[in-house]
Amino acid sequence: DAKTTQPPSMDCAEGRAANLPCNHSTISGNEYVYWYRQIHSQGPQYIIHGLKNNETNEMASLIITEDRKSSTLILPHATLRDTAVYYCIVRFKETSNTGKLIFGQGTTLQVKP
Amino acid sequence: DAGITQSPRHKVTETGTPVTLRCHQTENHRYMYWYRQDPGHGLRLIHYSYGVKDTDKGEVSDGYSVSRSKTEDFLLTLESATSSQTSVYFCAISEFSYRARAEAFFGQGTRLTVV
Repeated sequence: DAKTTQPPSMDCAEGRAANLPCNHSTISGNEYVYWYRQIHSQGPQYIIHGLKNNETNEMASLIITEDRKSSTLILPHATLRDTAVYYCIVRFKETSNTGKLIFGQGTTLQVKP
Repeated sequence: DAGITQSPRHKVTETGTPVTLRCHQTENHRYMYWYRQDPGHGLRLIHYSYGVKDTDKGEVSDGYSVSRSKTEDFLLTLESATSSQTSVYFCAISEFSYRARAEAFFGQGTRLTVV
């Protein structure tokens, strides 16, 4: 599985957009980009995923560069409840025995009033 | 919420004793995972399973074994608990297909303390 690189921490003002970057320069054509977040000591929660097109859901938007070597998770209007550790992960899209799901260190997002 | 339950939620055990943690799912998902989380290390994969009786090692598998005799249960065993295995353990499940969304769902975690 491709490795990812994220900044260890970021701050964002409440109500503003939070843009969390992720580098995955060794990603292969068969790998999706997934984003999860972990609030306090809870289990991680799925946010969004994509292959090569930009994606949007009720929680966030995902922008993937054309070469797929990096992506940005956008929380359009961050709230205090969005304070969490955000993980960017890549994994194979096809069913296979190599279904490992490897987390990196993630980015700690602090949303400030 | 996905049907995934970890038991026990909290456990204190003595060094050298065997410990088994259970992960139970009601989603019939193919993949199941065990992670540990320690301060400064994020989530680290211990073992995972891609089907009944099919398991593989993760990043930090030494001192741990797993078993999956049926789809719904994935057991993690610490063969002889050590203080370094004090951690929070998370189980996750995933249905992995190019047709499915294939996100993973996580349990609430088990806090294990080895004294």
